[in-house]
Amino acid sequence: QITLKESGPTLVKPTQTLTLTCTFSGFSLSTSGVGVGWIRQPPGKALEWLALIYWNDDKRYSPSLKSRLTITKDTSKNQVVLTMTNMDPVDTATYYCAHTRYYGSEFDYWGQGTLVTVSS
Amino acid sequence: NFMLTQPHSVSESPGKTVTISCTRSSGSIASNYVQWYQQRPGSSPTTVIYEDNQRPSGVPDRFSGSIDSSSNSASLTISGLKTEDEADYYCQSYDSSNWVFGGGTKLTVL
Repeated sequence: QITLKESGPTLVKPTQTLTLTCTFSGFSLSTSGVGVGWIRQPPGKALEWLALIYWNDDKRYSPSLKSRLTITKDTSKNQVVLTMTNMDPVDTATYYCAHTRYYGSEFDYWGQGTLVTVSS
Repeated sequence: NFMLTQPHSVSESPGKTVTISCTRSSGSIASNYVQWYQQRPGSSPTTVIYEDNQRPSGVPDRFSGSIDSSSNSASLTISGLKTEDEADYYCQSYDSSNWVFGGGTKLTVL
């Protein structure tokens, strides 16, 4: 049974760096094809893909946010970490991590999401 | 980069059929798989269609997906509407370096 859970600060100040951790179970990020992605959703708005990391350390980033994002994995800890620099109030959103079976496949398992508010 | 455009909202009566469209702005809709997600208020998204027209186990066959190359769009069709189908629906696809979600469609079953 695959589960994912996001953790990190609920409140960050403008210009700070956000670090979110996705801790998962039920699969290994060393299995061929498997990936973990990050998706966010501002309150009342649409989903927005942020980043993906695959089993072979292939990393993909949203073109519009690429300069601010870093995604890494720790296979031994079953964790994926997303950092986003220079946070702004418009980055206030629920941040989700999600499992994907192979390159281009759907996000088939999602975490519960964590709400991050950016405010001074 | 490409965009996926969905209608903001649709509504239909219980028992009827509704179709939600998702139009790709550039590049062929057929070149990369389209997925559809359902999101109820306060919940994480769940997949209702993957790989254009495949249903995950547990998703009723009232849900179906298709693509139309002539209009460069994908569609999600829900037949025999139930009040429990009321939710936001998002299409999603990708290209070589970008995963894109549509803007979402709010389905009201009234």
